[in-house]
Amino acid sequence: DAKTTQPTSMDCAEGRAANLPCNHSTISGNEYVYWYRQIHSQGPQYIIHGLKNNETNEMASLIITEDRKSSTLILPHATLRDTAVYYCIVRVGAAGNKLTFGGGTRVLVKP
Amino acid sequence: GAGVSQTPSNKVTEKGKYVELRCDPISGHTALYWYRQSLGQGPEFLIYFQGTGAADDSGLPNDRFFAVRPEGSVSTLKIQRTERGDSAVYLCASSLESGVLGEQFFGPGTRLTVL
Repeated sequence: DAKTTQPTSMDCAEGRAANLPCNHSTISGNEYVYWYRQIHSQGPQYIIHGLKNNETNEMASLIITEDRKSSTLILPHATLRDTAVYYCIVRVGAAGNKLTFGGGTRVLVKP
Repeated sequence: GAGVSQTPSNKVTEKGKYVELRCDPISGHTALYWYRQSLGQGPEFLIYFQGTGAADDSGLPNDRFFAVRPEGSVSTLKIQRTERGDSAVYLCASSLESGVLGEQFFGPGTRLTVL
């Protein structure tokens, strides 16, 4: 699976949008971009995934650049409960089933 | 509905002892995964089951680690001759289908401490 690079940490203000970047410059055509988050003392939680089109669900939006070498997860209105470690994962579409987690971005939402 | 459950939530053992960690996946989920998470790091893949069989055990660190899923539902991760370096949170996840589209649902984990 392709390697991802994320900032180690970031702060954001409650009620504002949080934009979390991820670089995956070696992504190949059959690899999807997945985002999970892990709130303290809990297991990881699926947020969203995409291949090349932008995606939106009730939790977040995923913006993937046209060359697919980077993406941004957007939490439209961050709340204190969004404080967590966010993992960007690139996952092979055909052969792979496991998730390969990196270090993630530690997001602190401040009042 | 019920999510993935793991028991025990905490396990303290002594170096050299044998431990078993249990995972109850979401009913009907055919795929089951075990991960291990050390402090301050992301989860690390251990093994993946599709039904009763281990489809990928490439993440098991050595032969002291073994996992079973005899009836295609509950799974047990077994660690023999535990070492202090085995201390970690052991996470289980299940998904409705294998492959890239199968969202993985994680349990709360079992925190293993080897003294």
